[in-house]
Amino acid sequence: GIQVEQSPPDLILQEGANSTLRCNFSDSVNNLQWFHQNPWGQLINLFYIPSGTKQNGRLSATTVATERYSLLYISSSQTTDSGVYFCAVAKLSFGAGTTVTVRA
Amino acid sequence: DAGVIQSPRHEVTEMGQEVTLRCKPISGHDYLFWYRQTMMRGLELLIYFNNNVPIDDSGMPEDRFSAKMPNASFSTLKIQPSEPRDSAVYFCASSYGKRGSTDTQYFGPGTRLTVL
Repeated sequence: GIQVEQSPPDLILQEGANSTLRCNFSDSVNNLQWFHQNPWGQLINLFYIPSGTKQNGRLSATTVATERYSLLYISSSQTTDSGVYFCAVAKLSFGAGTTVTVRA
Repeated sequence: DAGVIQSPRHEVTEMGQEVTLRCKPISGHDYLFWYRQTMMRGLELLIYFNNNVPIDDSGMPEDRFSAKMPNASFSTLKIQPSEPRDSAVYFCASSYGKRGSTDTQYFGPGTRLTVL
């Protein structure tokens, strides 16, 4: 199956800071999604982004399909951004996630 | 819409017992997915349905696991007999398949299963 690697595994941010999360995948995909799992366990879909760039508020994502990676940008981070961010590809293979902690 | 509904939210059972997890997808969605999340293995896709028909069950760990979707508004995941290693959070998700099985998925709150 397709391998999905996310980095960094953990990220600690001060409120207001910007950050970039990375997702590398081992093969061509026609599906890539970013999810956020909040501290209470709820999974929320952030982006469906097999290629190109999308923005939603303080979050944006870019996928370069030809180079097999995707980036998730968090700007002006808030404590509510804390949780685990997952990248998932194909049908769906999830990465191990990046745990983000935003401190006030 | 109330979103994807799962029940029960928590289940504690003893090894060897039958466990049934339930899911009601978002109305109008034609794809339904079952996932399992553990610390060791992360999030794994177990099975997914399209229009109530199982399409890919390659993620189902073994014959003790079975899933059904008798109609568009209800699905079950059954474990019989249950084992301690089945302890996990089980998520159900649904999507509307304009792009097939790769559409945006909406997750339920999960069922936390503990097998003693």
